[in-house]
Amino acid sequence: GAVVSQHPSWVICKSGTSVKIECRSLDFQATTMFWYRQFPKQSLMLMATSNEGSKATYEQGVEKDKFLINHASLTLSTLTVTSAHPEDSSFYICSATLGSREETQYFGPGTRLLVL
Amino acid sequence: TQLLEQSPQFLSIQEGENLTVYCNSSSVFSSLQWYRQEPGEGPVLLVTVVTGGEVKKLKRLTFQFGDARKDSSLHITAAQPGDTGLYLCAGPFAGYQKVTFGTGTKLQVIP
Repeated sequence: GAVVSQHPSWVICKSGTSVKIECRSLDFQATTMFWYRQFPKQSLMLMATSNEGSKATYEQGVEKDKFLINHASLTLSTLTVTSAHPEDSSFYICSATLGSREETQYFGPGTRLLVL
Repeated sequence: TQLLEQSPQFLSIQEGENLTVYCNSSSVFSSLQWYRQEPGEGPVLLVTVVTGGEVKKLKRLTFQFGDARKDSSLHITAAQPGDTGLYLCAGPFAGYQKVTFGTGTKLQVIP
């Protein structure tokens, strides 16, 4: 149980385009999902917390207009990187918890983004 | 800023050796998780510890939560090449909802 999927697994795009990444909880409902960014050989950096039916909470330094998050249902959250630039190239990972008080996070397989 | 330091940062050992990874903080955790991440994949949950002093075993992996719930360790016995990966500790500090991730320990087990 507690399987989280991400799509696409990797994407290459031109500078200036927008890219949407989907995160789905396959066998459970996720009230809360999280979006992380990870640079090579580094730990995970939380970008935002996504709550179903409400606005996402962004971490300090993360531009909410650049990284649009939509948590449309209890099983789907999307991250859209708008007007992507080469410095946005990274590994983006989502996670979900089983309940609002659950602290263990279950991670998706990640999405590798390369902006040319 | 609450920090979660892991040590060592990198570890390269021969197959069959034992090793310990440490996760330290100056703040108290509500709970603590250990994850393993392989290149190009998301982290996979290994264990969650909740009670101070708790010890959990997962085959050759032994996890310990400090009595004061500020630190944790992961001990691997007779490491195998399949143990290679990035080990991450993570947890919410007491009173906070947000989960903080450790700095990570990259383990390489050489056959």
